[in-house]
Amino acid sequence: KQEVTQIPAALSVPEGENLVLNCSFTDSAIYNLQWFRQDPGKGLTSLLLIQSSQREQTSGRLNASLDKSSGRSTLYIAASQPGDSATYLCAVPVYNQGGKLIFGQGTELSVKP
Amino acid sequence: KAGVTQTPRYLIKTRGQQVTLSCSPISGHRSVSWYQQTPGQGLQFLFEYFSETQRNKGNFPGRFSGRQFSNSRSEMNVSTLELGDSALYLCASSLDRGLGTEAFFGQGTRLTVV
Repeated sequence: KQEVTQIPAALSVPEGENLVLNCSFTDSAIYNLQWFRQDPGKGLTSLLLIQSSQREQTSGRLNASLDKSSGRSTLYIAASQPGDSATYLCAVPVYNQGGKLIFGQGTELSVKP
Repeated sequence: KAGVTQTPRYLIKTRGQQVTLSCSPISGHRSVSWYQQTPGQGLQFLFEYFSETQRNKGNFPGRFSGRQFSNSRSEMNVSTLELGDSALYLCASSLDRGLGTEAFFGQGTRLTVV
């Protein structure tokens, strides 16, 4: 059974710092891994989708890496800004179950001015 | 192009009532999935619809049901509401059920049961 874990649960950094969020999964037979951002009380915004055949995916100040063999993904945020404050979630689709996603519990990021 | 639209955004219902939530996917997307988000349990999968058929169902009681229309719009219904059904209900839209398909979420419906 696939399980997804995100550590730490919360992170507070000063503005301008580079940071890494971690996501681990127990079953390496994944099609892809998706990173989302969620602002309080709002829906999820897709940040990056990294396919199982890829090692990295970049969008602006964000870079996601994927290591299937070790069951890990990281989301690197460069030069963090207060506007980056949100909860970041990673999710993987369940093998052979179409659109069903398994989510981690999220990392709540606070970037202090 | 328009994103995933969920209506209503907020609902307050009384225990025992029933509620219907609506989701309009991104134009051209045929797969719609529903999730329940609570502080204690996080995001949990409810069900997935594709081509008007339920393709997958999560571990929720039969009080939770849904359907999908020919235009891919989806509704979910919760009958005999309980206090524990208070949650943010999120709808996700995907182009299809193929491998590697990206999911896009709506803003959610905040349901409060009193």
